Amino acid sequence: AQSVTQLDSHVSVSEGTPVLLRCNYSSSYSPSLFWYVQHPNKGLQLLLKYTSAATLVKGINGFEAEFKKSETSFHLTKPSAHMSDAAEYFCVVSALYNQGGKLIFGQGTELSVKP
Amino acid sequence: ETGVTQSPTHLIKTRGQQVTLRCSSQSGHNTVSWYQQALGQGPQFIFQYYREEENGRGNFPPRFSGLQFPNYSSELNVNALELDDSALYLCASSSGTSGGARNEQFFGPGTRLTVL
Repeated sequence: AQSVTQLDSHVSVSEGTPVLLRCNYSSSYSPSLFWYVQHPNKGLQLLLKYTSAATLVKGINGFEAEFKKSETSFHLTKPSAHMSDAAEYFCVVSALYNQGGKLIFGQGTELSVKP
Repeated sequence: ETGVTQSPTHLIKTRGQQVTLRCSSQSGHNTVSWYQQALGQGPQFIFQYYREEENGRGNFPPRFSGLQFPNYSSELNVNALELDDSALYLCASSSGTSGGARNEQFFGPGTRLTVL
């Protein structure tokens, strides 16, 4: 079975400081991993995806994530937070081929950005 | 290119009633997945439709059912509504069922269902 665990339910940073949102995964096979962002009253937007081509994945809006197999982690980072980054972030693993590619979401991390 | 759209935006029902939610997939996509997001939780997979057939189901009772039409749009039907069915229902479309990064799922804005 596959699963993801987001280690923090809430993270608060000051504008201009680094962001770190932590995610550990469990998978019997080489996983497909994603980070999605959800702003209030808006749909889910894909930030980045791990395709196994490179362990350091760059996404939109300056976010990036590093796949570490030895640590079963896929943490999301950004060097400098912006007020517009305040949102809910989800770490996601894709189920195996024979399960229709369903997405398995973590519980989410709420990011607050202080001025 | 038109994105994923869902209707209605908000809906209020009472216990025991039935509800139908609608989703139009993104142009060129033949697969639709439905997710339920309870308040403060991550989305949970309900089921997926591919070429008008159910192609995978999560841990939801049979009173949750769906349809996919020849134009690949989809409906989610919920019978005998319960208070715990109150949630944001998300629809996602993709160009295939193999999952992973090859078939990225694009999400609609969701339908907020409140059951009183």
